[in-house]
Amino acid sequence: GAVVSQHPSRVICKSGTSVKIECRSLDFQATTMFWYRQFPKQSLMLMATSNEGSKATYEQGVEKDKFLINHASLTLSTLTVTSAHPEDSSFYICSARTDSVINTIYFGEGSWLTVV
Amino acid sequence: QKEVEQDPGPLSVPEGAIVSLNCTYSNSAFQYFMWYRQYSRKGPELLMYTYSSGNKEDGRFTAQVDKSSKYISLFIRDSQPSDSATYLCAMGQGAQKLVFGQGTRLTINP
Repeated sequence: GAVVSQHPSRVICKSGTSVKIECRSLDFQATTMFWYRQFPKQSLMLMATSNEGSKATYEQGVEKDKFLINHASLTLSTLTVTSAHPEDSSFYICSARTDSVINTIYFGEGSWLTVV
Repeated sequence: QKEVEQDPGPLSVPEGAIVSLNCTYSNSAFQYFMWYRQYSRKGPELLMYTYSSGNKEDGRFTAQVDKSSKYISLFIRDSQPSDSATYLCAMGQGAQKLVFGQGTRLTINP
């Protein structure tokens, strides 16, 4: 199946710093990518929809100035957690939708962020 | 009422049993239905994808969709300990974002 690569898989940062997470579709083009957050033993919480060449669409309650999303190409979207705080520690997962008649969505492996 | 309802479990069955996982939904506009498997601390992995009512089989997995009842199922035959994971149903329409179920935690006991 299609592959979505997410990097880094784990990151530890100091409070107040910014962290960038990359999401790449390796063998298909993805006009649309999604960013999720997942707390332990809970389902995926959609944070924002990332569209290539345009501004991301954020879900209600998600701070767009804190979670900066850039989708500069058809294969790459980035999520930057700005001025990170311990409460931002979580599992962040991206997914990418194939640009084909049959829309299929594949997920990255996720990124564990720990803010200390 | 949530758009997609899925029993979170946990569900525990002995190895070799047939597992049935289910989701109900309220939006009759949903066109495609997916099942994902998520191991602990990993991203979800696409297992099955269906468009229409009926059954779709892939190895030990069978996905079933009943649009008239707004009900989808995933069956796992000859379950293995390696099948222990959280299973998420998801559904969508057109280019809109997927709507996920809460996920069912499944444990297969050797």
